[in-house]
Amino acid sequence: EAEVAQSPRYKITEKSQAVAFWCDPISGHATLYWYRQILGQGPELLVQFQDESVVDDSQLPKDRFSAERLKGVDSTLKIQPAELGDSAMYLCASSDSYEQYFGPGTRLTVT
Amino acid sequence: KQEVTQIPAALSVPEGENLVLNCSFTDSAIYNLQWFRQDPGKGLTSLLLIQSSQREQTSGRLNASLDKSSGRSTLYIAASQPGDSATYLCAGTDSWGKLQFGAGTQVVVTP
Repeated sequence: EAEVAQSPRYKITEKSQAVAFWCDPISGHATLYWYRQILGQGPELLVQFQDESVVDDSQLPKDRFSAERLKGVDSTLKIQPAELGDSAMYLCASSDSYEQYFGPGTRLTVT
Repeated sequence: KQEVTQIPAALSVPEGENLVLNCSFTDSAIYNLQWFRQDPGKGLTSLLLIQSSQREQTSGRLNASLDKSSGRSTLYIAASQPGDSATYLCAGTDSWGKLQFGAGTQVVVTP
């Protein structure tokens, strides 16, 4: 069964350092999403791509976060510089229609 | 902005008992309603998707209903098992596919 792949699974970084997460969606899925989930809360959308174009990045803190999906396939989410409040689970999802399929997530800890 | 609420926040039941999880949303213009399961430290697994024209979906021991007029969805899990212990999240979708999540209900099924 096809799955959304994410790496790394865990990342520990110091405050003010740069960090990057990678996501490979299910083959053929045109829509890709990045979510952030703080412990005890539901995920919140950071950015949505349709192929290589950004559809919604209204909740992305653009002063420190950036996301790209250059060829409309895999995607990278970057944080620079990381802050203590960025500690969270970063989830990637993809969709070809109505249903979203999630990857295993990247657990980020900023010290 | 769509707001999604899940009550209770936590639930503990003995094995064999039926589970009833509630989800309410503020905007009846919701497009689809999706239920997810999340194990500790893991990503989200899609359980059921109720499309806008549907009122319920069933899969095995799981049944989910959607009442858009009252702004509510309910997930029923029959004959609960210890393996059902997890956090269950509901999310409403707008026409762009953007998911708005509740904070989840943490379920513990005791043997």
